[in-house]
Amino acid sequence: NAGVTQTPKFQVLKTGQSMTLQCAQDMNHEYMSWYRQDPGMGLRLIHYSVGAGITDQGEVPNGYNVSRSTTEDFPLRLLSAAPSQTSVYFCASRHQRDEQYFGPGTRLTVT
Amino acid sequence: LAKTTQPISMDSYEGQEVNITCSHNNIATNDYITWYQQFPSQGPRFIIQGYKTKVTNEVASLFIPADRKSSTLSLPRVSLSDTAVYYCLVGGLGGNAGNMLTFGGGTRLMVKP
Repeated sequence: NAGVTQTPKFQVLKTGQSMTLQCAQDMNHEYMSWYRQDPGMGLRLIHYSVGAGITDQGEVPNGYNVSRSTTEDFPLRLLSAAPSQTSVYFCASRHQRDEQYFGPGTRLTVT
Repeated sequence: LAKTTQPISMDSYEGQEVNITCSHNNIATNDYITWYQQFPSQGPRFIIQGYKTKVTNEVASLFIPADRKSSTLSLPRVSLSDTAVYYCLVGGLGGNAGNMLTFGGGTRLMVKP
């Protein structure tokens, strides 16, 4: 199994640009989540999904959209990038009661 | 949502046992407790999970008192490679709030030679 994969690994955007961070898992997990981690801080939950077609907001959802059309994929869209969205983004997946598996992260810089 | 409170940082020496306590006063009946470890530039990695009493695996033990308002992660005989940030999470068992797993600030453990 590849586990949780994220692309790209690094990205630089200009203010106002949009982009999609990709996340995929091959473990048939129902639950998937997106977190952001600012330097020296803990992870904050952006959006999560409990199954295909079902998404919900986390702690810091503003400026981000998600969709879950398949069990495997959970893309995160930045609608209009702002410098405040400069961060490392982690995608994670799990079965309901089990541990979360995290991807390697996407390091995003918005100038 | 059950919030968690942990010490910001701890120091230890190689070979010592380290205990990190997490407070979660408003833990719900359906919530379980999970600990993660994170190294710089990596995603968090699962350490241990429990609901009550004591859980032990090959790397750590988790102690949960009867009232479940706190939990203690115990790392036996730490080494320099255990230097990392440790996070306590509460939740995960159904319902909108239970499905959200949120991280607190974590505890930065520094192991010295």
